[in-house]
Amino acid sequence: QVQLVQSGAEVKKPGSSVKLSCKVSGGRFRSYGFNWVRQAPGQGLEWMGRVIPTLDMTDYAQNFQGRVTIIADKSTGIVYLEVGSLRSDDTAVYFCASGYDYGVTWGQGTLVTVSS
Amino acid sequence: EIVMTQSPLSLSVTPGQPASLSCKSSQTLLHTNGKTSLYWYLQKAGQSPHLLIYEVSTRFSGVSDRFNGSGSGTDFTLKISRVAAEDVGVYYCMQGYQLPWTFGQGTKVEIK
Repeated sequence: QVQLVQSGAEVKKPGSSVKLSCKVSGGRFRSYGFNWVRQAPGQGLEWMGRVIPTLDMTDYAQNFQGRVTIIADKSTGIVYLEVGSLRSDDTAVYFCASGYDYGVTWGQGTLVTVSS
Repeated sequence: EIVMTQSPLSLSVTPGQPASLSCKSSQTLLHTNGKTSLYWYLQKAGQSPHLLIYEVSTRFSGVSDRFNGSGSGTDFTLKISRVAAEDVGVYYCMQGYQLPWTFGQGTKVEIK
């Protein structure tokens, strides 16, 4: 069964960018879709986008279009999320989740704090 | 995008008693192939969400048979037959019918 291990917490300044990673193990990397979902403090879940490595395809939520990039490195089995032009309201826990139509397996989450 | 609305937003239940959580979508989640893309997750405090139910009513591997999903079209329900202490957390419904995936606001279940 696939396991997802995410990178550690980050503290960033407003206007900067952050790149998070999600290491995939225990499964066939190319067989899955990988999604990023975030959760602001005390709030609900918000889907940001996904990558499907076998199709070299990405989709993004409209709210994040142009500010977010999701990349799958097939050689290392790592999925990346890069968020640019960070604002204070980007402070959240960011989760990666495997699956095409829904998140089957989730990573442990990465806290990103945006503060001056 | 599809709006998911859950009710109630919080629920306090006596151990051993049943609980019923509702989820409504702003449009049908039924595909022409007969599949309905409605999912239920539980997020315990300080943890990532984990999948309980997929496609309305199928329990994910290892999920207790105390959890039962039902519904069709736009109206869905998750029932916990006998609430236990380990069921505490926030329950989210989610639609995977179309992108972007969208989640309900969550129902917080507590033990009395």
